[in-house]
Amino acid sequence: KAGVTQTPRYLIKTRGQQVTLSCSPISGHRSVSWYQQTPGQGLQFLFEYFSETQRNKGNFPGRFSGRQFSNSRSEMNVSTLELGDSALYLCASSEAGEYQPQHFGDGTRLSIL
Amino acid sequence: DQQVKQNSPSLSVQEGRISILNCDYTNSMFDYFLWYKKYPAEGPTFLISISSIKDKNEDGRFTVFLNKSAKHLSLHIVPSQPGDSAVYFCAASSLQGGSEKLVFGKGTKLTVNP
Repeated sequence: KAGVTQTPRYLIKTRGQQVTLSCSPISGHRSVSWYQQTPGQGLQFLFEYFSETQRNKGNFPGRFSGRQFSNSRSEMNVSTLELGDSALYLCASSEAGEYQPQHFGDGTRLSIL
Repeated sequence: DQQVKQNSPSLSVQEGRISILNCDYTNSMFDYFLWYKKYPAEGPTFLISISSIKDKNEDGRFTVFLNKSAKHLSLHIVPSQPGDSAVYFCAASSLQGGSEKLVFGKGTKLTVNP
């Protein structure tokens, strides 16, 4: 079974631009979560989608948004990029149901110049 | 306010010996705990999990122990192998808060020396 696939792997943007990151979950997984990893803050939860609905959200500004499609693929969008948005963005998927472990992709490294 | 803490940034052990990684949490609502391993340039890999109704879960060389009264969990790796060298993250969630919303510790870098 293929793992979680994230594209692109690397991205360079400038301040003020917007960016869209893509995530394809493991086949059969309906829950997709997004995390931001930075050296200072570690891994932080952004949001989680299930059946095209956002079920949970972390403490990030409204510039961070996402969506999920009917095939469970998900996208994350960041608008008006700031220098502090430079980070590794990780997507994870899990099976439906409580207490299912999340499985991560290798992330998208976003650098803001 | 760090709800999940891994107080040891690094740990070094000899091949064949036991590695013990520790994690403390403050939120008593957490009821699901996981350990992940991360190599550079890769995403975290799920290792093992435990729910709060258990105090031990074992999977091959990996065992996780949960002490709810102390709000402490540990990961034991026996025997340790050089390929286990990686950063290990402890994570927790609660059914009330959404079991998919994982709160991570800052990680412990394990080095297993041949």
